[in-house]
Amino acid sequence: QLQLQESGPRVVKPSETLSLTCTVSGDSISGSTYYWAWIRQPPGKGLEWIGSIHNSGGTYYNPSLKSRVTISVDTSKNQFSLKLSSVTAADTAVYFCAEQAGWFGEGGIGYYHGMDVWGQGTTVTVSS
Amino acid sequence: DIQMTQSPSSLSASAGDRVTITCRTSQSISKYLNWYQQKPGKPPKLLIYGASSLLSGVPSRFSGSGSGTDFTLTISSLQPEDFATYYCQQSYSNTYIFGQGTKLEIK
Repeated sequence: QLQLQESGPRVVKPSETLSLTCTVSGDSISGSTYYWAWIRQPPGKGLEWIGSIHNSGGTYYNPSLKSRVTISVDTSKNQFSLKLSSVTAADTAVYFCAEQAGWFGEGGIGYYHGMDVWGQGTTVTVSS
Repeated sequence: DIQMTQSPSSLSASAGDRVTITCRTSQSISKYLNWYQQKPGKPPKLLIYGASSLLSGVPSRFSGSGSGTDFTLTISSLQPEDFATYYCQQSYSNTYIFGQGTKLEIK
């Protein structure tokens, strides 16, 4: 059964870089045709997609965060990582990693992606 | 950028009620729309992809419809475990933006 686990510092100072890792177990990232995603949720607020990566290294980022985000994959460790630079208090959130799978639609028409397996999330606080 | 508007932002209902949540996008996304359920302190759970396809294991009381710019999530008969926050998400053009969420509360 596929499981994902986020890890990394729980407190980051303003202007520094937030770094998180998602460890995948129960399946091989390198053998998967799926994407892998980062999503965050500020306290009491909604979900924000940060970006997604394929095991080939292809990435897609949220335009609102693109200038500060780097997502990478390490297939040898079965992990993918998030770096968010120049953080401020507004980056305080629960950060989730997720598998971004794909399915054909009804009648075999269309191919749709969604986040079907999630880590439990890790809270990151930006504070001096 | 595609804007998403989810409504209502909150909703009170009773067990057994039929409820509908709406998601509108600022431009057509065909059927590239997902629905998630999130309970407090937990990660979201994918319910529906492709606007109307139920993920395996999701109860049949959940259904989705729509295409283009207007989408709905319907719960045909609310169960106690359905009280949660629901999010739509567009998956068009390799961006996966979420709606603002609808908090479904017990009346």
